[in-house]
Amino acid sequence: AQSVTQPDIHITVSEGASLELRCNYSYGATPYLFWYVQSPGQGLQLLLKYFSGDTLVQGIKGFEAEFKRSQSSFNLRKPSVHWSDAAEYFCAGNFGNEKLTFGTGTRLTIIP
Amino acid sequence: EAQVTQNPRYLITVTGKKLTVTCSQNMNHEYMSWYRQDPGLGLRQIYYSMNVEVTDKGDVPEGYKVSRKEKRNFPLILESPSPNQTSLYFCASSPPPHGTDTQYFGPGTRLTVL
Repeated sequence: AQSVTQPDIHITVSEGASLELRCNYSYGATPYLFWYVQSPGQGLQLLLKYFSGDTLVQGIKGFEAEFKRSQSSFNLRKPSVHWSDAAEYFCAGNFGNEKLTFGTGTRLTIIP
Repeated sequence: EAQVTQNPRYLITVTGKKLTVTCSQNMNHEYMSWYRQDPGLGLRQIYYSMNVEVTDKGDVPEGYKVSRKEKRNFPLILESPSPNQTSLYFCASSPPPHGTDTQYFGPGTRLTVL
């Protein structure tokens, strides 16, 4: 069955440190992949997406993600986090149908 | 401003009392969808619609109804709410190709069923 897995429920990083959030998918082909961010009390906002082509994708707010077919992964990275990056992050995939399948989310806490 | 709006934002109700959560988008999108968000489960799709008068079940449709009489509106109906429908609900819309591109989300409706 097609699925998206986010192994980390909660991550804490210091302000200014680098960040990597993990996302893995299960699918027999290359899905469309997305990262969304949900700030407290807000809806979801798209950070970046991958459909095809260059496997390193740049997004908003200084985020990037790298698609690795061999690892079925689409990890989100940021070189230096800011306190305003504290939020919940969702990886999602479209597996060739009309639906978006979400991971369970990773909550990011930033410590000063 | 391009946006998806939902009303109400917060709702407390009692078991069995019918309710409707409205959703409206001003981007002329054909595709619209409803999700519920629960701790530890992420977002799960309830229903989606690819155009006016075309709706289909998502992953967790039980206990919900939808209608799509106009392109801009996609209300979610709970005819007999139960406590297990206490959740955070999001409406979303998407440009073509249907459901495969960026989805634009509303601000959410927090529903409590007592």
